[in-house]
Amino acid sequence: AQSVTQLDSQVPVFEEAPVELRCNYSSSVSVYLFWYVQYPNQGLQLLLKYLSGSTLVKGINGFEAEFNKSQTSFHLRKPSVHISDTAEYFCAVSEPINDYKLSFGAGTTVTVRA
Amino acid sequence: DGGITQSPKYLFRKEGQNVTLSCEQNLNHDAMYWYRQDPGQGLRLIYYSQIVNDFQKGDIAEGYSVSREKKESFPLTVTSAQKNPTAFYLCASSIAPNPENTEAFFGQGTRLTVV
Repeated sequence: AQSVTQLDSQVPVFEEAPVELRCNYSSSVSVYLFWYVQYPNQGLQLLLKYLSGSTLVKGINGFEAEFNKSQTSFHLRKPSVHISDTAEYFCAVSEPINDYKLSFGAGTTVTVRA
Repeated sequence: DGGITQSPKYLFRKEGQNVTLSCEQNLNHDAMYWYRQDPGQGLRLIYYSQIVNDFQKGDIAEGYSVSREKKESFPLTVTSAQKNPTAFYLCASSIAPNPENTEAFFGQGTRLTVV
């Protein structure tokens, strides 16, 4: 069974500083990886996804993530954050053996301070 | 505009009552999902449906029921058997369960509180 571990539950960061959110997964074969963002009392919005090809994936709002198969990781990064990036971020995995259903990590709350 | 609509946004239920959460999509997606979100636990899958008139249990189906009579609609009933129903419920859909279309689109959620 697939599982997703987000290594940090809370990440405080100053405005214009870089941020990295860590995500590790456990899965046997091919996986598809996602990062979603959730603003308070709202649904989830897709930031980026990795299906195949280049291991560096660029998403919306200046975010990017790198797929590392040997380390089973998919860390999310942004070189310079804004106040508006304050939100909860979820890493998710899907795989064929599981009907492509998404399995989510517990989430990382990013708080950006001026 | 195309999207997923969940209603109501806030819902209060007395203990012992069943309650139904609505989820409608006009994206022509085949697959639909219900997730429950609790603080610090991420999203957990309750039920999913890949096609009309068919659905499967997710990881935490006990105390919940669903139907999929129309492609656009996937209502979730929280029954009195659900011991701790207070949570944020999210409905999602995807085009089809295959690699290229596995991305899920989410509604705005329903916050259910048992009083």
